Amino acid sequence: EAGVTQFPSHSVIEKGQTVTLRCDPISGHDNLYWYRRVMGKEIKFLLHFVKESKQDESGMPNNRFLAERTGGTYSTLKVQPAELEDSGVYFCASSQDVGAGQEAFFGQGTRLTVV
Amino acid sequence: RKEVEQDPGPFNVPEGATVAFNCTYSNSASQSFFWYRQDCRKEPKLLMSVYSSGNEDGRFTAQLNRASQYISLLIRDSKLSDSATYLCVVNGGSGYSTLTFGKGTMLLVSP
Repeated sequence: EAGVTQFPSHSVIEKGQTVTLRCDPISGHDNLYWYRRVMGKEIKFLLHFVKESKQDESGMPNNRFLAERTGGTYSTLKVQPAELEDSGVYFCASSQDVGAGQEAFFGQGTRLTVV
Repeated sequence: RKEVEQDPGPFNVPEGATVAFNCTYSNSASQSFFWYRQDCRKEPKLLMSVYSSGNEDGRFTAQLNRASQYISLLIRDSKLSDSATYLCVVNGGSGYSTLTFGKGTMLLVSP
């Protein structure tokens, strides 16, 4: 069974450009999460989808970030316009059920560098 | 106070040593607790869940103290392959369904 896949694995863009990250969760997982790790900092929650609905987007840093999950399958995270401080590794994770002890499976991440 | 705090290390230990990591969390309403392992430039992977009664998986033992809001991970007989960053993760911190991560503790096991 395929795990969580993310595309691209790396992206280097100039400040002011737009980048779209994609995440394909494990098939059948209703819960999809986006996280971000900025260099030297801890992994931080961005948002959580249950199927196509945004359950919690309290971690989204500002309105330059837009996440979608049309049809409740794959998700995209768009950054427009990108700023230098957006550089980091963006992880996507999915889980089957929300609940105590439920494991979240992570993708390998997209390393975004804004120059 | 940070939501989840860990000593960043690095912990440098020889093969065969026993090493312990600690973690504290700030939200007393937290529901569940995990240790994840992250290898360099890789994604986090679940190492083990942490149960109130304490639990063991081979060389790894996890403990939870809800009163003190404290979690620990003990690794016995360290192997070179144990070298990684160990992330303390709490569910139900900032939100019921979200995982809140510590910064991680780096472990380096040398021959």
